Amino acid sequence: DAGVIQSPRHEVTEMGQEVTLRCKPISGHNSLFWYRQTMMRGLELLIYFNNNVPIDDSGMPEDRFSAKMPNASFSTLKIQPSEPRDSAVYFCASSGGVEKLFFGSGTQLSVL
Amino acid sequence: AQSVTQPDIHITVSEGASLELRCNYSYGATPYLFWYVQSPGQGLQLLLKYFSGDTLVQGIKGFEAEFKRSQSSFNLRKPSVHWSDAAEYFCAALDYGQNFVFGPGTRLSVLP
Repeated sequence: DAGVIQSPRHEVTEMGQEVTLRCKPISGHNSLFWYRQTMMRGLELLIYFNNNVPIDDSGMPEDRFSAKMPNASFSTLKIQPSEPRDSAVYFCASSGGVEKLFFGSGTQLSVL
Repeated sequence: AQSVTQPDIHITVSEGASLELRCNYSYGATPYLFWYVQSPGQGLQLLLKYFSGDTLVQGIKGFEAEFKRSQSSFNLRKPSVHWSDAAEYFCAALDYGQNFVFGPGTRLSVLP
């Protein structure tokens, strides 16, 4: 298995633009997590899905952020409009249940 | 509220010295516990996990951790640190909602 795949690896955009981050979880995993990592706030859980259903989105900063999981093999995190304070590394992770969490390599987002 | 704390933000040790990174959790019952390591520019990698049974668990790269229920702790140890161990270390817990909760992380620096 190729592991959790995230794209793009790096994204540079201008303030006000829409940004879409993509994630392909490990096949067979039924839980998917989106995390944001910054120097100031560390690793923050944004939202997690179980069987494609959002379970807890209390970590989503504001209405500019939205996440979808249309099927078991794909999820997106969208920021619209983006702001400089959204600059961070965004990680996607998946889990098959009561076991370890597998992380993707992350997307480095820079909003100018 | 359920939480994971790591009291040390940054630790510096000399190569060859022993290491202990602290982790405490606050849960109603014993959660599943994990230690992850993150090298610069990389995603998180699982070092070890504790579900039940023997309170001393062995992990990869020579790491071990001891679960102490009386202290609500799950400290990570290594008898002799190598320069390549310099990284960020995260303690995490899995609650009954299948949500992984991470501590703030401890940055380890290794002196030659």
